[in-house]
Amino acid sequence: SAVISQKPSRDICQRGTSLTIQCQVDSQVTMMFWYRQQPGQSLTLIATANQGSEATYESGFVIDKFPISRPNLTFSTLTVSNMSPEDSSIYLCSVPTGLTEAFFGQGTRLTVV
Amino acid sequence: GENVEQHPSTLSVQEGDSAVIKCTYSDSASNYFPWYKQELGKRPQLIIDIRSNVGEKKDQRIAVTLNKTAKHFSLHITETQPEDSAVYFCAASIYGGSQGNLIFGKGTKLSVKP
Repeated sequence: SAVISQKPSRDICQRGTSLTIQCQVDSQVTMMFWYRQQPGQSLTLIATANQGSEATYESGFVIDKFPISRPNLTFSTLTVSNMSPEDSSIYLCSVPTGLTEAFFGQGTRLTVV
Repeated sequence: GENVEQHPSTLSVQEGDSAVIKCTYSDSASNYFPWYKQELGKRPQLIIDIRSNVGEKKDQRIAVTLNKTAKHFSLHITETQPEDSAVYFCAASIYGGSQGNLIFGKGTKLSVKP
């Protein structure tokens, strides 16, 4: 399976600020995915990060709030902008592998105060 | 788009009993159905998956069944153990297509009592 390094593992941020989450994979992948898991809830897909093109956002998520970069085939960032307490969640990146459609990073636990 | 419903939301069983979790999906184009186990504070981890060209798959105490006509699939855990306690998520996607993303059910919190 892939090795995914996601940083930071957790953070506490002030409302109105932004946080950038990094996801590094040990092999080249065409697509990377960003999910949000609100406290006690399921996983919701935020967007698909495509190398060489703009990210594709799911309904309810917009680029101004969650800008995504994908500079190469092993790296992506997700920024949570102008944060409010409602953004407190676990954010996870995932990549498809030969064995499974989604292998997850360890997640970033974000608390907005 | 795809919608995945999962039941029950909580399930409590005695150690050694079986547990069954059921999911339904809406998009007939979905052809990949994984199950994830998430322990408290940890990332979701794949425990078993099934593709639409088979009806059942087993891996030791875990099995998944798929009914494409009815658009539902189920997770079966036999001889449950306390370490099976976790939240289980079903999901659906179009494997290998342009969209490899997963649509998840809301999860089932399984508690196995010793």
